[in-house]
Amino acid sequence: EDKVVQSPLSLVVHEGDTVTLNCSYEVTNFRSLLWYKQEKKAPTFLFMLTSSGIEKKSGRLSSILDKKELSSILNITATQTGDSAIYLCAVEAREGGSEKLVFGKGTKLTVNP
Amino acid sequence: DVKVTQSSRYLVKRTGEKVFLECVQDMDHENMFWYRQDPGLGLRLIYFSYDVKMKEKGDIPEGYSVSREKKERFSLILESASTNQTSMYLCASSLAPLELGPDTQYFGPGTRLTVL
Repeated sequence: EDKVVQSPLSLVVHEGDTVTLNCSYEVTNFRSLLWYKQEKKAPTFLFMLTSSGIEKKSGRLSSILDKKELSSILNITATQTGDSAIYLCAVEAREGGSEKLVFGKGTKLTVNP
Repeated sequence: DVKVTQSSRYLVKRTGEKVFLECVQDMDHENMFWYRQDPGLGLRLIYFSYDVKMKEKGDIPEGYSVSREKKERFSLILESASTNQTSMYLCASSLAPLELGPDTQYFGPGTRLTVL
């Protein structure tokens, strides 16, 4: 069965800290790995990763995929209270004739002032 | 077997035309989503719906509207298509109520829309 595991499940830090969130996966027919930020009901897109070793960066957030280790990390530097959210990792996989997106349970990040 | 279908695989429209993209799921799923996928940008959420007649904006709702009159059907509407709406459009559905957390989403085959 396809699965995506994120760690830690929750994390509390102070503003200015740097955090690293982990995602590992076991899926058949891997297509890509996506990171999302969830503040409301539906996740909002952060990054899509398809190739190992290539870092994607957006402001203070960055992410990298390791296909050998079947894992990815999401880094947030100089955290702010606005970074408080659930961060979701999802893997696109192929099942039969259709695509599916398998989500991890998320890491709940709380950034205190 | 999971089944999400989309009304067209390929569409070509002219600037200013009204465009309807239909999505149907037969799994009695609560939630339905419309995404667009562009090279290098991954899936970006346009709108989603967690119940009949309920809709919420995603990341990029501008230029789009949606309709969910029946549980199994979720329509994406481009009121006046523009060239920057040329993209692959993907519909998805998931079962669990969103407030319980994320659930596996099942995607349709996609509609490749070209706006000339």
